[in-house]
Formats: sequence, C-alpha cells, structure tokens
Amino acid sequence: SAVISQKPSRDICQRGTSLTIQCQVDSQVTMMFWYRQQPGQSLTLIATANQGSEATYESGFVIDKFPISRPNLTFSTLTVSNMSPEDSSIYLCSVVPGQKVETQYFGPGTRLLVL
Amino acid sequence: GEDVEQSLFLSVREGDSSVINCTYTDSSSTYLYWYKQEPGAGLQLLTYIFSNMDMKQDQRLTVLLNKKDKHLSLRIADTQTGDSAIYFCAEGFGGFKTIFGAGTRLFVKA
Repeated sequence: SAVISQKPSRDICQRGTSLTIQCQVDSQVTMMFWYRQQPGQSLTLIATANQGSEATYESGFVIDKFPISRPNLTFSTLTVSNMSPEDSSIYLCSVVPGQKVETQYFGPGTRLLVL
Repeated sequence: GEDVEQSLFLSVREGDSSVINCTYTDSSSTYLYWYKQEPGAGLQLLTYIFSNMDMKQDQRLTVLLNKKDKHLSLRIADTQTGDSAIYFCAEGFGGFKTIFGAGTRLFVKA
C-alpha cells in the first residue's frame, strides 16, 4: 500500500491568484496522477506526473493553467494558476505503487474555494 | 465514449443489506472498482474485480459483474452506520486510465 499526504488540506483563495498543492508519498512510486473532483461530480483526471519529464495532460487541461512538477519518485506539486470560481473543487493526488495496475491509492484531497 | 453511471443516493436501515448499482458503456475495461469516500477524506479502494470474473466476495462485501448488461453492483451485508459514505464505481483500462462514476451517497439510519 501507499500512504499519501497532501498540503494544504483546504484553502480559500481570491480569483486571479495561484495555489500550489503538494503531494508526498511514503514510498517511491512510478505513477502519480492528479485528479479534480468538482462538487457533486465524479473524478476527472487532470494529468499524469512524470518523473524527470513534463506531465502528460488529459483533454481539456493545459500546462499553463495546471503546471505540475515531479522532482523525484515520492513528491509532486500541482499549481492551479490564475484561479477563477470555476476552479473551486477538490484536487486529489493518486499513485499506483509498483506494477500492480489494479491498485490505485488516493490522497485525502485539497479542498479549494475560489472567491 | 466511456461513461459510468450510478444513482446518487441510497438510504438503508442499520443491519440491512445495501446494494449499490453501477452501469458502464465501455466493455473493454480490464478491472472494475469500488471506492469509498468518507467525509473529508480521500478515496479508499474497497475492492475490485477482474473483467473476466462474475463475482467476488470479501467479508461483508460482494461484487457482482454482469458483462452482458454492463452492470456492476456492490452489496454490503449487515450495513453499519460507519458504512455511511460516498461509493464510487470505476472502470480501469490499460495504461492506468480510470473512469469514475459520480458516486452514490449511502445513508445508514440507526
């Protein structure tokens, strides 16, 4: 298994500002992902955080809006840039430890409210 | 395209069985998952089933998969108040791609 922590756990931000969310895993993992969970909706994959290279973004998400860093195998950051109220959501970090593709673990999430 | 649908709410009495249903559109998934999300917490993987299986039982949890109807269900026996949470159905495809439903909020009445 993997234990995942995220910082901050929640924040209230003003529109036009940016917030960086940190994800820390207690073991080295190859695959790390960032998801968004909008109120009352399912999880949507934002991007795959690749260690040592640029993140791979899903359709509808771009690097300028959601820059991601992955400096090593236990840590990643997601920045929500130039925020608007539509960015209010829960942002979740997720990992797949080892090569067991069937086991995906999620962090506790960061609850973001943009005013 | 890929779509996973669930009913939004389910209410049961403590001690009864809960059955949470899910339908999906893409039958090429490799795994089907059930996750639990308690208030203020992230998603916890409850159980999963390979797409070539019909049933999986794990203590109080029973997963049934009907591939013909593209229907997945989660049965929780002897439901307790601690089972109150949001339950997400999800399909897993190759390349670590996972599609989630919107979640079913389970209320357990004492």
